[in-house]
Amino acid sequence: DVKVTQSSRYLVKRTGEKVFLECVQDMDHENMFWYRQDPGLGLRLIYFSYDVKMKEKGDIPEGYSVSREKKERFSLILESASTNQTSMYLCASSLTTLVQPQHFGDGTRLSIL
Amino acid sequence: QQQVKQSPQSLIVQKGGISIINCAYENTAFDYFPWYQQFPGKGPALLIAIRPDVSEKKEGRFTISFNKSAKQFSLHIMDSQPGDSATYFCAASMGNTDKLIFGTGTRLQVFP
Repeated sequence: DVKVTQSSRYLVKRTGEKVFLECVQDMDHENMFWYRQDPGLGLRLIYFSYDVKMKEKGDIPEGYSVSREKKERFSLILESASTNQTSMYLCASSLTTLVQPQHFGDGTRLSIL
Repeated sequence: QQQVKQSPQSLIVQKGGISIINCAYENTAFDYFPWYQQFPGKGPALLIAIRPDVSEKKEGRFTISFNKSAKQFSLHIMDSQPGDSATYFCAASMGNTDKLIFGTGTRLQVFP
């Protein structure tokens, strides 16, 4: 079974802090994705990566950056956290061959105070 | 043009009934339409998917109906069970990208 692990289940940070969310997958998937999930808005793509050191902006990249130094690890960085970044963050991974299902982690619920 | 519109936002169904969730899209370049199921405290998981060359796909109690001319697709859950209570997301993508556009989600509650 594919396993996507997000490092924290719950995280509380203060406004202005630099926040790191970590995600690791164990199936050698090329693609990795970061989404945020908000009630009534569904899943919105923040950033994705097709390969190591490669990244592309999703639909809502403002205020975020990412890092992919190793194939299995994809980090989301909030450069200066703000209260409107309080949300559930979901990481996913998939193979590149044709269209493959995305496998999601269980999410990190981030609160910015 | 990139949006996928999903309705209803929430749905309450009696055990044994049929649950129907609808999605609509504008971009005719979309060629892959999956449905994801999310239980509380868990990430979404692929439930069933369809390509536009077929009008219907069935897997057990779950069926996707696809209407290419109307640019609509729907998920039907037959004989709904309390264990089906979850949030359901439709999505769409184009063949040359692995990027999914998700609908806003439907919270389904099935009561015994």
